[in-house]
Amino acid sequence: AQKVTQAQTEISVVEKEDVTLDCVYETRDTTYYLFWYKQPPSGELVFLIRRNSFDEQNEISGRYSWNFQKSTSSFNFTITASQVVDSAVYFCALLTQLNQETSGSRLTFGEGTQLTVNP
Amino acid sequence: DVKVTQSSRYLVKRTGEKVFLECVQDMDHENMFWYRQDPGLGLRLIYFSYDVKMKEKGDIPEGYSVSREKKERFSLILESASTNQTSMYLCASTLETRFQETQYFGPGTRLLVL
Repeated sequence: AQKVTQAQTEISVVEKEDVTLDCVYETRDTTYYLFWYKQPPSGELVFLIRRNSFDEQNEISGRYSWNFQKSTSSFNFTITASQVVDSAVYFCALLTQLNQETSGSRLTFGEGTQLTVNP
Repeated sequence: DVKVTQSSRYLVKRTGEKVFLECVQDMDHENMFWYRQDPGLGLRLIYFSYDVKMKEKGDIPEGYSVSREKKERFSLILESASTNQTSMYLCASTLETRFQETQYFGPGTRLLVL
């Protein structure tokens, strides 16, 4: 069975602080994908990043960076110099294949982390 | 840009009513999904569809049904709404039935069942 755990339910920081959102996943599959989505107060989930299980290279995009460590089954997300607009719920998700016969897949979400950035 | 729209942002219904939630995507995507989101539980998959007139159960299909008569439209139906179906409902779609496809989400419908 697949599982994603985001242990931090809520995080509150002051603007310009750095913040790291943790994500730990469980799967027996050797091929899988990991995602981060942002959900602002408007409700829509916004896709941020996708990583495949064979690419452990860290990625940086502006103030966002992601640290994928297969050895610890973690895919953590860091926001540098946080801003009020970063306030949102952030979801980590794991994409695995349903079975070998089809290319269907299943996206398993973590519980989400509510990030509040105060001015 | 991928565009997934949902017919209502907010809905209030009474127990026992039949409820239709509509989702439309304008990018000719093959696959569509319905999730519900509840605090502390993340998103849970209700139903999904890989093609017109085709449907598959997700993790929590009980109390729901779906309809996909046209490729661009995927409807979630609550046959007889109950208070425990009060939730945020999110629709998503992907272009092709390939393993690595990214799901793109609509704005969500907040449903309150009284």
